[in-house]
Amino acid sequence: QSVLTQPPSASGTPGQRVTISCSGSSSNIGSNDVYWYQQLPGTAPRLLIYRNNQRPSGVPDRFFGSKSGTSASLAISGLRSEDEADYYCAAWDDSLSGWVFGGGTKLTVL
Amino acid sequence: QVHLQQSGPGLVKPSQTLSLTCSISGDYVSSNSVLWNWIRQSPSRGLEWLGRTYYRSKWYNDYAVSVKSRITIDADTSKNQFSLQLNSVTPEDTAVYYCARESYYGSGSAFDDWGQGTLVTVSS
Repeated sequence: QSVLTQPPSASGTPGQRVTISCSGSSSNIGSNDVYWYQQLPGTAPRLLIYRNNQRPSGVPDRFFGSKSGTSASLAISGLRSEDEADYYCAAWDDSLSGWVFGGGTKLTVL
Repeated sequence: QVHLQQSGPGLVKPSQTLSLTCSISGDYVSSNSVLWNWIRQSPSRGLEWLGRTYYRSKWYNDYAVSVKSRITIDADTSKNQFSLQLNSVTPEDTAVYYCARESYYGSGSAFDDWGQGTLVTVSS
């Protein structure tokens, strides 16, 4: 049971826009930044979004992060086959004094 | 370019100690501007942060509540590496273990470099 809640799956067709949600509480998302990681099959996670809505260099601007209250979202526009991966949200939890993750969302590009 | 190379056994017997090492190239374990973490991933528990070590004039550690009584993370500056020891393992500790560098991004921090992952199976 992950501390942050994500839908287990999401899907879209090439070119579409999909959104993945991440729900937390006042001790994590409500008081700290949200981070998103992309995990391609058989590889380690990769940083996709930091501090709610910032993209590291090399991440396309098709990926957009947002946060409101105790929830956050990752939107992917112009969906491409190479976007098929697992996506995880993360935040620091003040009550647990540690990092917490969402359970992950498996994105399928139909 | 930072590279993290993990090493350690893939099979550990129940009640024994899981030991993994993460060798760093392209950065320093004693850097004042990063933190060095261990994270694991299993189908049942998802991604789970285990703990970290970092140097700020002296060494500090933070550990997850779930493993605090069983975990030790140490740094070896002479080899530029850090290690994970998890005692009294059970089959529930079976997972892919990752080491990861945590870097500052403004007022926040993120895991921006990861090791290749090590599948550790706890079984007799």
